[in-house]
Amino acid sequence: AQSVSQHNHHVILSEAASLELGCNYSYGGTVNLFWYVQYPGQHLQLLLKYFSGDPLVKGIKGFEAEFIKSKFSFNLRKPSVQWSDTAEYFCAVKALEDMRFGAGTRLTVKP
Amino acid sequence: ETGVTQTPRHLVMGMTNKKSLKCEQHLGHNAMYWYKQSAKKPLELMFVYNFKEQTENNSVPSRFSPECPNSSHLFLHLHTLQPEDSALYLCASSQGFSGGGNEQFFGPGTRLTVL
Repeated sequence: AQSVSQHNHHVILSEAASLELGCNYSYGGTVNLFWYVQYPGQHLQLLLKYFSGDPLVKGIKGFEAEFIKSKFSFNLRKPSVQWSDTAEYFCAVKALEDMRFGAGTRLTVKP
Repeated sequence: ETGVTQTPRHLVMGMTNKKSLKCEQHLGHNAMYWYKQSAKKPLELMFVYNFKEQTENNSVPSRFSPECPNSSHLFLHLHTLQPEDSALYLCASSQGFSGGGNEQFFGPGTRLTVL
């Protein structure tokens, strides 16, 4: 069965710092990749997704992610974080009919 | 507002109680899901319904019983739960289960505490 790893459990940054959250998966076939965000007290919502084409995907709120097939990775990036980006971020991988989420990374942005 | 609503938002129950969680989606989707979210663990997919038919049951204990009367409503019936079942239960829906680009839309969740 496939698995999804998010190596950083908690990341703390100051405003304007650059962000990169790691996501690796273990499935060798065709995958569809997602990043979801959960702001404090709110529901999970989609940040961006990759299913084909350009491996560099741009999402909402200035986030982007790059699919590197050879590294089985789909890391999330933002050049300059804001206090309002404080949230929990989840990577998800869909392969065949199986959808798996990572354990999440909590991001705290200090004003 | 995601178009996916869940009730109740909070539930406290004893181990001998029977309760149900309700999910409703207003997005015209055909697939609905139940997830369990525990602290510091990945979201666990519990059940998938595609066009009202259950397509996935990831080894979930029988004390959890799903019901999907139509493609807009999904229930999770709970009975004789254990304290370790305390978690946030999330409902989601998508246009279809097959098809890689079908993102899932999540509800706010039901925070369940089993005493």
